[in-house]
Amino acid sequence: DGGITQSPKYLFRKEGQNVTLSCEQNLNHDAMYWYRQDPGQGLRLIYYSQIVNDFQKGDIAEGYSVSREKKESFPLTVTSAQKNPTAFYLCASSRTGVGYTFGSGTRLTVV
Amino acid sequence: DAKTTQPPSMDCAEGRAANLPCNHSTISGNEYVYWYRQIHSQGPQYIIHGLKNNETNEMASLIITEDRKSSTLILPHATLRDTAVYYCIVPFYNQGGKLIFGQGTELSVKP
Repeated sequence: DGGITQSPKYLFRKEGQNVTLSCEQNLNHDAMYWYRQDPGQGLRLIYYSQIVNDFQKGDIAEGYSVSREKKESFPLTVTSAQKNPTAFYLCASSRTGVGYTFGSGTRLTVV
Repeated sequence: DAKTTQPPSMDCAEGRAANLPCNHSTISGNEYVYWYRQIHSQGPQYIIHGLKNNETNEMASLIITEDRKSSTLILPHATLRDTAVYYCIVPFYNQGGKLIFGQGTELSVKP
């Protein structure tokens, strides 16, 4: 079955460390997106990518980086520059504006 | 900013219809309206989408006004499992189809 996979489901990180969250899709979608969600809040866009080797900043890109070397993959790195990284991270994909699919999320905790 | 506005919360009695409104007064002629819901700490779940005609699927019905400036999501027989945050979203088609979420409507279905 086609879908979007995020891993790991739970992730713990020490302060000052970079960490990379995985997002893989087998839907042949062109566009992919990363969102952050804090408790009791809505989803906020971090980065998005319309095609391979191209991506744009969303509303809260500071302290994050991404790459899009393959159509299927859009990993998100949470860098040490991100002041409050503890959050729920969601990845999504679409055929650029059509048929959005979301992953099940990664919960990142800084310890 | 999100292109939609929704009431922050609503209650509904179990077994009754839940009618969730959404305003999208700046929507363009070729922009779809999407509805998703999110149950606590899970990825958003697709419900339905529409352009101008009313739509129905196994989960819900979507009624779009003739001027397309607002819509209503109808859950015909709400159950306790329908308790969730419901998001009405219009994609930014000229920006990779990115979805900008508002705060959504927190629907509480009560016995």
